[in-house]
Amino acid sequence: ELKVEQNPLFLSMQEGKNYTIYCNYSTTSDRLYWYRQDPGKSLESLFVLLSNGAVKQEGRLMASLDTKARLSTLHITAAVHDLSATYFCAVDIPDMRFGAGTRLTVKP
Amino acid sequence: DAGITQSPRYKITETGRQVTLMCHQTWSHSYMFWYRQDLGHGLRLIYYSAAADITDKGEVPDGYVVSRSKTENFPLTLESATRSQTSVYFCASTPTSGSNEQFFGPGTRLTVL
Repeated sequence: ELKVEQNPLFLSMQEGKNYTIYCNYSTTSDRLYWYRQDPGKSLESLFVLLSNGAVKQEGRLMASLDTKARLSTLHITAAVHDLSATYFCAVDIPDMRFGAGTRLTVKP
Repeated sequence: DAGITQSPRYKITETGRQVTLMCHQTWSHSYMFWYRQDLGHGLRLIYYSAAADITDKGEVPDGYVVSRSKTENFPLTLESATRSQTSVYFCASTPTSGSNEQFFGPGTRLTVL
């Protein structure tokens, strides 16, 4: 069965702390995407990872892809309140399969 | 307006009624998608289309019908709505080639009573 699993599903962080969200998937793919969704809003593309070893960074977020381990990580550095949102990973296998999402809350 | 739009944004209907959700994009993207979002399930693909007159089932197609007579429009029809179809529906599009990054519409919140 095709699965895309994210963990944790809920994450409460203090501002200034670091943390990592994990995305595991069950079948071969070299295309992985991270999206952000604010409450009541649509999804916004954050990162597109297209090959093994790909690393992308934007501000306090960094995403990486290990296709051999079927694992992607989204690392948060020195979290700030504005990063509070739900983060989804999605895998092209070949139709897009999404993880259940990680709801991140950053507290002052 | 440029981009991808959905209408209506909110809809309340009754069990057994037919409902059509509209999606329109101005980028001339070849691929278009319909997803539903339910708590705890992330997004699940209902149908997608690679081009006009080409559609295919996704993960959860039962109870839904799509058509794509024009590249820019991709309507989703619930032929006989059921309560289990209460959800938020997102339309998305992506160009033919490249990264396959998808661009999402604002969503339609559908409630079936």
